[in-house]
Amino acid sequence: AQSVTQLDSQVPVFEEAPVELRCNYSSSVSVYLFWYVQYPNQGLQLLLKYLSGSTLVKGINGFEAEFNKSQTSFHLRKPSVHISDTAEYFCAVSDRAGGSYIPTFGRGTSLIVHP
Amino acid sequence: KAGVTQTPRYLIKTRGQQVTLSCSPISGHRSVSWYQQTPGQGLQFLFEYFSETQRNKGNFPGRFSGRQFSNSRSEMNVSTLELGDSALYLCASSLAVQGHTDTQYFGPGTRLTVL
Repeated sequence: AQSVTQLDSQVPVFEEAPVELRCNYSSSVSVYLFWYVQYPNQGLQLLLKYLSGSTLVKGINGFEAEFNKSQTSFHLRKPSVHISDTAEYFCAVSDRAGGSYIPTFGRGTSLIVHP
Repeated sequence: KAGVTQTPRYLIKTRGQQVTLSCSPISGHRSVSWYQQTPGQGLQFLFEYFSETQRNKGNFPGRFSGRQFSNSRSEMNVSTLELGDSALYLCASSLAVQGHTDTQYFGPGTRLTVL
């Protein structure tokens, strides 16, 4: 069974500073990887996804993530955060186990941007 | 295009009752997935419907069921409610012809409280 570990439950950072949110997964087959953002009282919004090809994936709102197969990681980065980036971030993995796609989510990382 | 809508947004039930939640996907989307989000267990996949057929199913008891209509609208039903069913139930739609590689668009969720 696949699992997703988001190593930090909370990441405080000052505005305009860079940030990295870490995500590691375990899966023995080819995977699809996703990062979602959830603002208070809202559903999830896709930031970016890795399906195949280039290991550096660029997403919306200036976020990017790098797929590292040897380290089974998919860390999310942004070079300069804004107050409005304060939200919950979820890493998810999906693989074709048994012929079906069942996504597994990490427990989430709360990004708190201070002025 | 209108986004994914879920009704009702808030619901309070008592133990032993049953509840039905509704999800209207984005026009043209044929896949609808349901997720349960709780502080303790995080985000967990319930099931996915595509063209009125359940295509994928998570690890939830049979009290949780769903269906999809010909217009792609979906309902989720929980029977014999337990306190632990209190959660935010999220619905997501996508074009997804196969699997979870297509972008999923999430609704705002239904907050269910079981007393």
